[in-house]
Amino acid sequence: SSELTQDPAVSVALGQTVRITCQGDSLRNYYASWYQQKPGQAPVLVMYGKNNRPSGIPDRFSGSNSGNTASLTITGAQAEDEADYYCNSRDSSGNHVFGTGTKVTVL
Amino acid sequence: EVQLVQSGAEVKKPGESLKISCKGSGYTFTNYWIGWVRQMPGKGLEWMGIIYPGDSDTRYSPSFQGQVTITADKSINTAYLQWSSLKASDTAMYYCARRNYGGISERMGEYYFDYWGQGTLVTVSS
Repeated sequence: SSELTQDPAVSVALGQTVRITCQGDSLRNYYASWYQQKPGQAPVLVMYGKNNRPSGIPDRFSGSNSGNTASLTITGAQAEDEADYYCNSRDSSGNHVFGTGTKVTVL
Repeated sequence: EVQLVQSGAEVKKPGESLKISCKGSGYTFTNYWIGWVRQMPGKGLEWMGIIYPGDSDTRYSPSFQGQVTITADKSINTAYLQWSSLKASDTAMYYCARRNYGGISERMGEYYFDYWGQGTLVTVSS
């Protein structure tokens, strides 16, 4: 079955830039989508497709893709961006897979 | 307004059966796939499977095939996740989510989960 790999944790100083990456073979054929999850809350979609933000998601969030890697970048990180972030992709069987998750700490 | 509303928390004993639900509103329920996601305590999101309520076409993650059953009743806009015999290891939060499809861009498919239920906490303990 397909897998998506993320760094377990990253930290970023308030107002600085942080990039979260997601690697996996399925990303060569399907865009990643990205989800933010804060403690005790359901996940929230923050990025999808080539570089699309749902309504209400700040423009400091951006996405990119290259080969088997997708990236989510937060430019000018805010305290409220501290959360767990998961990538997700469809695979060739019609199923989906989540990444291992990245905990973002804003210092 | 699109909403997915899940059934309430459950406390069950090992070996018992359970069916939890996810009711969609504010959109045409039969036009979108509904996925199910597990999150064990303190752990990450795990993909379980997905159903198309229009014709009940269903796909399961290999990790969950045979362990759970996903169904849908399009007459009442509701998807279900069920277990025939719960184990303590099924203790987790379960989320449903609506899958949207953005088409093909630069030869890449665009799929994403734009609306999520609030989650159903299932506790299995003797």
